[in-house]
Amino acid sequence: GENVEQHPSTLSVQEGDSAVIKCTYSDSASNYFPWYKQELGKRPQLIIDIRSNVGEKKDQRIAVTLNKTAKHFSLHITETQPEDSAVYFCAASRSSSNTGKLIFGQGTTLQVKP
Amino acid sequence: DAGVIQSPRHEVTEMGQEVTLRCKPISGHDYLFWYRQTMMRGLELLIYFNNNVPIDDSGMPEDRFSAKMPNASFSTLKIQPSEPRDSAVYFCASSPGRWGYTFGSGTRLTVV
Repeated sequence: GENVEQHPSTLSVQEGDSAVIKCTYSDSASNYFPWYKQELGKRPQLIIDIRSNVGEKKDQRIAVTLNKTAKHFSLHITETQPEDSAVYFCAASRSSSNTGKLIFGQGTTLQVKP
Repeated sequence: DAGVIQSPRHEVTEMGQEVTLRCKPISGHDYLFWYRQTMMRGLELLIYFNNNVPIDDSGMPEDRFSAKMPNASFSTLKIQPSEPRDSAVYFCASSPGRWGYTFGSGTRLTVV
């Protein structure tokens, strides 16, 4: 079945350093890959997404890259700040059909040390 | 728009009791999803609806769980009877189409 693997499960960086989170997916028909940020006790919120017709997308300090051949995609956060500390989830869906269901990775707890 | 609205925010119930969680999606969103979040299993999709019709309920753990969407602005997730292992945060999300989920604030369920 569909599966999304996410690594690492925890990541600790110094403020100002970069953080990279990687995900792999099993369904080769997946073509939509969003990333969500969840702060403690709050809802997951969409921070960036990428569709399979592009290889990279950037929004200020965050960027996502996609390698469809290898079936993996990554989140890059540059110049990390303490407020970036949260759990980050990747997800994948096959949006070419009526289904829009997202399959989530297990999450990465990012800690940015001041 | 007020976003996706879930109620209650917190629910504590005794084992064996019936629990009903409620969700109001964003107006105009055709898709509604119910997820369960635990430390062990992460975010699990339980069921989703498209235009009020259940499309995929393969994630519903067992017959104790049921979900309905009687109209475009309301959905319920019911657990009867509840068990301690059902303790989790239950999120409802809605989407206008194939992407762009918005999550509700979640219901934290504790079954004692």
